[in-house]
Amino acid sequence: EAGVAQSPRYKIIEKRQSVAFWCNPISGHATLYWYQQILGQGPKLLIQFQNNGVVDDSQLPKDRFSAERLKGVDSTLKIQPAKLEDSAVYLCASSPPPREQFFGPGTRLTVL
Amino acid sequence: TQLLEQSPQFLSIQEGENLTVYCNSSSVFSSLQWYRQEPGEGPVLLVTVVTGGEVKKLKRLTFQFGDARKDSSLHITAAQPGDTGLYLCAGPDNYGQNFVFGPGTRLSVLP
Repeated sequence: EAGVAQSPRYKIIEKRQSVAFWCNPISGHATLYWYQQILGQGPKLLIQFQNNGVVDDSQLPKDRFSAERLKGVDSTLKIQPAKLEDSAVYLCASSPPPREQFFGPGTRLTVL
Repeated sequence: TQLLEQSPQFLSIQEGENLTVYCNSSSVFSSLQWYRQEPGEGPVLLVTVVTGGEVKKLKRLTFQFGDARKDSSLHITAAQPGDTGLYLCAGPDNYGQNFVFGPGTRLSVLP
């Protein structure tokens, strides 16, 4: 069974630029999560989708971050404009019922 | 807000030693999960504990869920360099929708 795919694996941008990350979850997984993991910390949930609907985006900085999951499969997370403090690993995870989450390898973002 | 604390933050030991890392909260969790994350990779689920007092063994790893379901421990026997990584605990929030992660314990096992 293929795992959760993410791209790109690494991205370096300058502050105020825009960036987008892509996630392809495990086939058949209805739930998709985006997490931000800052160096030395555990993952922090940004947004959770159930199929193509948003379940929780309470911790998503909506002034600069946006995410969508069209057709309830792939998802993209966008940052516009990026700030220095956005430097982190962005993890995507998916889960079938009941709850076990499977993580992708992450995208390491460096904002200069 | 439910928070999870983990200790120690860093641990460096020699191959063959035993170790225990801890996950604590002031809140009750319906279940707790332990993950291991290697550099450049996403977290990988090791175990889920759901019953207070439960003990689960996974080869050289022993997981325990506290009786009050507010804490958990992970014990590794005869650690090996392959055990090196970031160990994270996580549990569902009050609404059962999302997971709260602890900050992790970064383990380094030296050959």
